[in-house]
Amino acid sequence: DSGVTQTPKHLITATGQRVTLRCSPRSGDLSVYWYQQSLDQGLQFLIQYYNGEERAKGNILERFSAQQFPDLHSELNLSSLELGDSALYFCASSVAHAAAEAFFGQGTRLTVV
Amino acid sequence: AQKVTQAQTEISVVEKEDVTLDCVYETRDTTYYLFWYKQPPSGELVFLIRRNSFDEQNEISGRYSWNFQKSTSSFNFTITASQVVDSAVYFCALSERYSGNTPVVFGKGTRLSVIA
Repeated sequence: DSGVTQTPKHLITATGQRVTLRCSPRSGDLSVYWYQQSLDQGLQFLIQYYNGEERAKGNILERFSAQQFPDLHSELNLSSLELGDSALYFCASSVAHAAAEAFFGQGTRLTVV
Repeated sequence: AQKVTQAQTEISVVEKEDVTLDCVYETRDTTYYLFWYKQPPSGELVFLIRRNSFDEQNEISGRYSWNFQKSTSSFNFTITASQVVDSAVYFCALSERYSGNTPVVFGKGTRLSVIA
């Protein structure tokens, strides 16, 4: 158990809908990272928050947004969903804001039908 | 820009064989970190090791060992006496000390199948 908790584990939704994925980092970790793992793109970095502030941005679509709350949990919001958004979404957390080892949650498998 | 290449897409070995997973990286930074993660069939990502660019000593942890060579920009991972439980996808990853938008970049992964 990595200590990072992601909910829900599985999510099935229709195209055009909006979903929210939740992540609780390990106790004491200030950084939260979101990654998308799809079959054809591998593991793609989406966005990072550090102590409530956006720290780095990767290949995140405008339809996606995230935030980190004062209690350090994070949410990833995906809207106007398309079939191609079906993927495994991972949250990771680390103590520092860069280059520390990141511990990953078990992921949320999103299926858009 | 940072890049990680895992040329081996899939490897299949018989139990008890040794197997080496290759990882080649590109970076312009002089300070960087290299990682290996394991993704078993259950789907979670398990952290295995982190190595910084100033430490080229090889590391051994049980049946796992890592060979870091800056001269060839490689960070290879060897499993000795492989077991069925080692079957997983293994990812090599890189993080630059002064990276901009991508804290950790992953390779495409190598799928290892260990056959009993």
